[in-house]
Amino acid sequence: NAGVTQTPKFQVLKTGQSMTLQCAQDMNHNSMYWYRQDPGMGLRLIYYSASEGTTDKGEVPNGYNVSRLNKREFSLRLESAAPSQTSVYFCASSGGARDPFFGPGTRLTVL
Amino acid sequence: QKEVEQDPGPLSVPEGAIVSLNCTYSNSAFQYFMWYRQYSRKGPELLMYTYSSGNKEDGRFTAQVDKSSKYISLFIRDSQPSDSATYLCAMSDVGNQFYFGTGTSLTVIP
Repeated sequence: NAGVTQTPKFQVLKTGQSMTLQCAQDMNHNSMYWYRQDPGMGLRLIYYSASEGTTDKGEVPNGYNVSRLNKREFSLRLESAAPSQTSVYFCASSGGARDPFFGPGTRLTVL
Repeated sequence: QKEVEQDPGPLSVPEGAIVSLNCTYSNSAFQYFMWYRQYSRKGPELLMYTYSSGNKEDGRFTAQVDKSSKYISLFIRDSQPSDSATYLCAMSDVGNQFYFGTGTSLTVIP
């Protein structure tokens, strides 16, 4: 039982490059989330998906797009990376309005 | 004003001390309250979950919720060096969004 998995673990991009962060969960959860974590800012919600086929913006959606590919997978895409997107990205999933489970994170640096 | 406020610390205590971590919140609709522990360069892991008001105990950890004061606490008894981490509070209403504190950094000195 892997829980929530994220790939890649680390990534370095140049300004303007694009990339997709992948997330998968095996807990049959309906809801999935993408957060970014920056020093002193805590966890900020980028996008979430309450169920397969739906996505909604969170607190900081600008510069990102998401796809809920199926119930298990939720990807986050940076179309044109900027240095301000340097951060640690966490995917999480939840079975309801309680205790989301987090993945191990992706450390992204944009030069 | 942020939905959830948490003192960032850092907090440094000697081994064996009782640690008290706290969060306040503004939204009276919050019903689910969680505490996460995050080790350096790792993802947050769920430590305690509480529904509505009251206390919940799990080993050395006790979570307390006071909805009338909009205040939640996590107590760690007999603190150990392995408890050194950042502790995040989180809460939600009946919807699909979670609201996190910024985290309190704790160091337990042997």
